[in-house]
Amino acid sequence: TQLLEQSPQFLSIQEGENLTVYCNSSSVFSSLQWYRQEPGEGPVLLVTVVTGGEVKKLKRLTFQFGDARKDSSLHITAAQPGDTGLYLCAGAEDDKIIFGKGTRLHILP
Amino acid sequence: EAGVVQSPRYKIIEKKQPVAFWCNPISGHNTLYWYLQNLGQGPELLIRYENEEAVDDSQLPKDRFSAERLKGVDSTLKIQPAELGDSAVYLCASSLHGGRTDTQYFGPGTRLTVL
Repeated sequence: TQLLEQSPQFLSIQEGENLTVYCNSSSVFSSLQWYRQEPGEGPVLLVTVVTGGEVKKLKRLTFQFGDARKDSSLHITAAQPGDTGLYLCAGAEDDKIIFGKGTRLHILP
Repeated sequence: EAGVVQSPRYKIIEKKQPVAFWCNPISGHNTLYWYLQNLGQGPELLIRYENEEAVDDSQLPKDRFSAERLKGVDSTLKIQPAELGDSAVYLCASSLHGGRTDTQYFGPGTRLTVL
């Protein structure tokens, strides 16, 4: 059974600080996606990475897929209160997509 | 363009009662997913449809859960009878083709509370 472990589970930091959250697995994924979910809403896709070592940037967010396609990281520069939410990674293999438990991020103004 | 629509948004029932959730995907999306999300957890797939065919229902507890997607458009998920442990958010999502890099668009979910 493939599992995606996300760390940390919770993170609370001050506005303006930088942070990195992680998504790890012992399995290889053909692609990996990051979603953000706000309270009372469904997850919203941020990015899809498919190539080992791939780096994608979305404004202040930088996503990296590990060389072996088993792990990924999300780095946020100069965090803002609007970044608050649950960050989920989802790995795909064959026709299966599995989600991690998420990192709950809270940015303090 | 309208997003994925789910109803009701909230439902409170007593255990052993039946309950049904409805989902209308984005127009033109062939693939529809039902997920269960417990508090503090990520979504867990219950069933995936390609048009009207259920192509992955391996995680659906078939003794009490059922789903249908007649005509390959909107879908209904039913629980009968509900148990206390079914309290969760039920999310519906749709994507154009269901490929591994396709974007899944999620609805806001139905929050079920079983008393």
